[in-house]
Amino acid sequence: GQQVMQIPQYQHVQEGEDFTTYCNSSTTLSNIQWYKQRPGGHPVFLIQLVKSGEVKKQKRLTFQFGEAKKNSSLHITATQTTDVGTYFCAAWEGAGGTSYGKLTFGQGTILTVHP
Amino acid sequence: EAQVTQNPRYLITVTGKKLTVTCSQNMNHEYMSWYRQDPGLGLRQIYYSMNVEVTDKGDVPEGYKVSRKEKRNFPLILESPSPNQTSLYFCASSLVHLGEQYFGPGTRLTVT
Repeated sequence: GQQVMQIPQYQHVQEGEDFTTYCNSSTTLSNIQWYKQRPGGHPVFLIQLVKSGEVKKQKRLTFQFGEAKKNSSLHITATQTTDVGTYFCAAWEGAGGTSYGKLTFGQGTILTVHP
Repeated sequence: EAQVTQNPRYLITVTGKKLTVTCSQNMNHEYMSWYRQDPGLGLRQIYYSMNVEVTDKGDVPEGYKVSRKEKRNFPLILESPSPNQTSLYFCASSLVHLGEQYFGPGTRLTVT
């Protein structure tokens, strides 16, 4: 099945610094989703990217999907303490795959923001 | 309120004692799935269901069973729990396959 590698595993930043997490796959992804999990909470959907080269923004968050649809990134500008949590990417198994319907998550990036 | 509920939220049990974690959604979603979350491993899918009476294995199905007899419910069954199944479990649903996942609050299971 497909695998999605996410780096870094941890990121510590000072409030106001930028943050980026990356997801990579050896296979072409049909789409990619991003989730945020606050400490002690459950994952919450942020966004879905479908098109090659797609870029979407949500306030200070910028999401990109690579031209080859094998990688994606989430960038946060000027982090705030409210950004603390774990960020996950997730990719659906494509229609040609043997496990159509399966959703694979990256390992997640734990973001700590120091005030 | 649209939501996914799981019960129990916390459970401590002993090896070999069968248990069921319930999951229910009130959003008429077709797709439901179970995940386990372990430090450093992210979320790993256990089983998923594209619709009623249709279930498929995820990445880590060993030791688990599921059923989807009704659209709203998707229980996770551990016939003979073992300590390596100690984990945080999440149920999730989406309107359709490929959609955004709505997660339940999680069930923290400890098997001694």
